[in-house]
Amino acid sequence: SQTIHQWPATLVQPVGSPLSLECTVEGTSNPNLYWYRQAAGRGLQLLFYSVGIGQISSEVPQNLSASRPQDRQFILSSKKLLLSDSGFYLCAWDLAKNIQYFGAGTRLSVL
Amino acid sequence: GQQVMQIPQYQHVQEGEDFTTYCNSSTTLSNIQWYKQRPGGHPVFLIQLVKSGEVKKQKRLTFQFGEAKKNSSLHITATQTTDVGTYFCAAGGSQGNLIFGKGTKLSVKP
Repeated sequence: SQTIHQWPATLVQPVGSPLSLECTVEGTSNPNLYWYRQAAGRGLQLLFYSVGIGQISSEVPQNLSASRPQDRQFILSSKKLLLSDSGFYLCAWDLAKNIQYFGAGTRLSVL
Repeated sequence: GQQVMQIPQYQHVQEGEDFTTYCNSSTTLSNIQWYKQRPGGHPVFLIQLVKSGEVKKQKRLTFQFGEAKKNSSLHITATQTTDVGTYFCAAGGSQGNLIFGKGTKLSVKP
């Protein structure tokens, strides 16, 4: 069966520090991969999605970037975090049917 | 861009009361999905509706897709405290991604 791993679960980072969040999927090949951000009590904001290795589409211009170095690995990065980057970051995957399966998420607090 | 409007934003009910959340689009949807996010958790897929006028049930949950495929609803009969969470609808976007509604946060008073 397919599983999605996302880590770390929580992260506290100072303003200006770099960020790297990792997401991996097991049990499937060539999934579509997504990064979402959710502010407290708010909806899901799509940040990036990828339909294949090295293919990244950005939905919202900001100081975040994403990379897909391997088929089932999706990384969210930042060179310098801002206070406004705080939130709940969710990775998700799907295949052609668009039913998305989410990871457990990373709660990021930028102080 | 394509948007999916979801109402209400919040709903507070007494345990045992019914609950409904609505999802509307200005464009015809190929399908619509519903997700539930428990407090502190991540969204979990509940169901997908594809056909015009489709109605699906999962125990106390009833999902409907409008005849024009522009709206959908989720109805919970006799809410329980385990129903607490945020319910999202989601529709397929033009680029193959999902467009999520902003969600309806349900709280249930025991």
